[in-house]
Amino acid sequence: ETGVTQTPRHLVMGMTNKKSLKCEQHLGHNAMYWYKQSAKKPLELMFVYNFKEQTENNSVPSRFSPECPNSSHLFLHLHTLQPEDSALYLCASSQEGLADSYEQYFGPGTRLTVT
Amino acid sequence: GQNIDQPTEMTATEGAIVQINCTYQTSGFNGLFWYQQHAGEAPTFLSYNVLDGLEEKGRFSSFLSRSKGYSYLLLKELQMKDSASYLCAVRDSNYQLIWGAGTKLIIKP
Repeated sequence: ETGVTQTPRHLVMGMTNKKSLKCEQHLGHNAMYWYKQSAKKPLELMFVYNFKEQTENNSVPSRFSPECPNSSHLFLHLHTLQPEDSALYLCASSQEGLADSYEQYFGPGTRLTVT
Repeated sequence: GQNIDQPTEMTATEGAIVQINCTYQTSGFNGLFWYQQHAGEAPTFLSYNVLDGLEEKGRFSSFLSRSKGYSYLLLKELQMKDSASYLCAVRDSNYQLIWGAGTKLIIKP
């Protein structure tokens, strides 16, 4: 248990569906992240929220839409996805500004399959 | 562009020592991280280096040479539970993490 939970753990969706991934951190951190992890590829940073403000959007297609209603919750809304979007989606959090290392704590991920 | 290189896969024997290398080329440097990720699980933090030298933490040690753009993770007294992927990540000048693809470590009895 890392203090970061994600639901659902597995999701299969068609290309015309709309679904949302949820992340919750119980660590009191002020920054949250969405990553995409594909087999044998580096983690791809998708979005960053610091103090609920989006500070990073790494050229992610608009079919992915993040939402951060408060510092503990993060959502990733999905619509009209493509098969190449099938991957493990990881949420992470960290406490920015107080410690040097800024280590990130990861959730277990959502395994997404787009059919 | 920014790049992190680490071997795709390594095999070692239970009880032995293994060294996993990581080389990086990034725009700026603000620290290097090693994470462990078991199959189907979240990556978990192992170590952090920002100054040159060796950081030791139990059976795991991490080394950094900033001038060479090089780090390694040293695992001693290997146990079967150490079978996992090991991810190297560098924080660049914008304080963003640049990740390697990970090294899958297979431990054999």
